[in-house]
Amino acid sequence: DAGITQSPRYKITETGRQVTLMCHQTWSHSYMFWYRQDLGHGLRLIYYSAAADITDKGEVPDGYVVSRSKTENFPLTLESATRSQTSVYFCATGQGGGLYGYTFGSGTRLTVV
Amino acid sequence: DQQVKQNSPSLSVQEGRISILNCDYTNSMFDYFLWYKKYPAEGPTFLISISSIKDKNEDGRFTVFLNKSAKHLSLHIVPSQPGDSAVYFCAATRSGYALNFGKGTSLLVTP
Repeated sequence: DAGITQSPRYKITETGRQVTLMCHQTWSHSYMFWYRQDLGHGLRLIYYSAAADITDKGEVPDGYVVSRSKTENFPLTLESATRSQTSVYFCATGQGGGLYGYTFGSGTRLTVV
Repeated sequence: DQQVKQNSPSLSVQEGRISILNCDYTNSMFDYFLWYKKYPAEGPTFLISISSIKDKNEDGRFTVFLNKSAKHLSLHIVPSQPGDSAVYFCAATRSGYALNFGKGTSLLVTP
């Protein structure tokens, strides 16, 4: 299917475990982003990528790792999950923002117990 | 430091009336401003945007106003409908960069 898809939709993991959230887009867009949404904080940027093999930190990168070996995929890995990483994670993609912004996925709700 | 601020966490408006959502920003380098709408359990969806060279952009019931000197923008919804009830995020960016979001305003439109 065309578009942007995130998987899984819901995930429960234990503290200290490694977990990877997947993001896949079919438009071959250059830019991809990971945001987290928390009550009282809105949407905060974790990492972004301007092209394959190019990634950079956002506002809240600690505890997260990203890679982008292929244009269409941008996985987000929590190396050792902590309760503070319980959140809703959104992936977004686009050609450079501007007037049309970026398109967001449906999100992954992650609970760390 | 938060560069985009939405100071009203919530707003309640009667159906048919005008909804006005406000947003302030601090970075004068931003050249695009956007509004996103978000329903529960869904991702944010693009609603309307404006370039910094304009002061108004209209799309149907939605109008965004930009006051660069005050670093302020607002979203007007006229007339408001119950289906407009959602969280609205203001965002600002420079082309080629990530969106900087405010904390959101939860709009409730009552019948």
